[in-house]
Parts: sequence; structure tokens; C-alpha cells
Amino acid sequence: DTGVSQDPRHKITKRGQNVTFRCDPISEHNRLYWYRQTLGQGPEFLTYFQNEAQLEKSRLLSDRFSAERPKGSFSTLEIQRTEQGDSAMYLCASSLPRGRGAVDEQFFGPGTRLTVL
Amino acid sequence: AQTVTQSQPEMSVQEAETVTLSCTYDTSENNYYLFWYKQPPSRQMILVIRQEAYKQQNATENRFSVNFQKAAKSFSLKISDSQLGDTAMYFCAFMNSAAAGGSEKLVFGKGTKLTVNP
Repeated sequence: DTGVSQDPRHKITKRGQNVTFRCDPISEHNRLYWYRQTLGQGPEFLTYFQNEAQLEKSRLLSDRFSAERPKGSFSTLEIQRTEQGDSAMYLCASSLPRGRGAVDEQFFGPGTRLTVL
Repeated sequence: AQTVTQSQPEMSVQEAETVTLSCTYDTSENNYYLFWYKQPPSRQMILVIRQEAYKQQNATENRFSVNFQKAAKSFSLKISDSQLGDTAMYFCAFMNSAAAGGSEKLVFGKGTKLTVNP
């Protein structure tokens, strides 16, 4: 297994367009997280899935944001009507079922860098 | 809500020297986990070291060790024998434990940019 993968790695879009990002977690990891990281800041939590169930959403996740994990494997994060303030690195992480891993370690993907012009 | 504060935006150290990065956090929970993550330039974040709050013994991983002061809510990272490859952003992070039944999200500090000079 090669770790958490994200696609695309870079996305440039014009304001008002919709974008979708994909995350493939490490196999056997039933928990999947999305974070957003802006320049000079630490990652901020967006949402979390356990299998296909979305268990927690941050207030940062406005109505324009939607995340899915339909089969409990890969996940998609869609941003509708993008704004310049959405420009950031979007990070995905995954972890084993709670209690099976070493202290709930989250493994991060390389991220998708979004630039909204 | 939990918060994590890293008061050193940037630090530098000479190769082979020792450096300590500071982190403080705020929580009302008694059971939780603390982490240091490393994010090299243009590369993905990886875990450096972790600490369970119920453990009094400070965690160590090769050249990396922590000084965990639960009462002071302090969690510093010491890097010994610094290497050029240690150059990266370092993030301190907090997570509630399963026993606490809280959120499983990581709460990060703003990071410290560490540069190791030859």
C-alpha cells in the first residue's frame, strides 16, 4: 500500500466554478478526514467519515461544500461556486478503526492545492 | 473548544545541534493525545512523535523527544543532533481520546518553521 493518495494535486479554477477533489485512503482505514490549510496556518478540520457515515462537520464547511464517501472507501470533496477565499491546500487523512491503531494516528495525503482566480 | 498555540513562527539551528520547539494547549479534558507532525517543503505531513496524556513518561523516537508537562499544558519537542533533512514546518496537534468520547479531529497549532543550517 502506497499511502493516502489525492487527485488532482493542483487545481486552478475561475471564481464561480465548481471543483471536485478525490481522496483514496489506505486500505483497511475506515476513518477518513478532510482538512484545509491556508498559507502560514496549520490544517483546520473540515469533516470526518467513519465508513460511509459523515459523523462530524466543521462550521468552516459552508453550504457550498459537500463531501461524500459512498462506499466507505474513497471520498470526494466538492466546492460549488468557488470564491477566492477558498484558495488553500485541501488535505485528506485516514486512520484505522479506533482502538486498532497506535494512538489514533492519522496518515496524511499530499494534498490538493486549489487556486481560485 | 481546544486550542493549540505555537509561539515560535520560525527557528533555526546548526547541523548537529539541539533545538526545542514549544507548544501549549488548552483543554478541560483529562484524557487526550498530543502529536508533533512534520511537513517538509512541498511534501506531505508525517507523524514525528505522539504522547498519551495518561502516560507520565515522556515519549522518545530516536533523535526526537518531548517534554510533556500536563499541569502546565505544555508539550515541547526536542530534536537532538539536527540534520539537514529536519528542515520543515512542525505542527503540534491535539486530539481527544476515545475514552473521552470527544471528536476525533486533530486540532493544530499554526506551526514552527525550522531551518537546519549546514
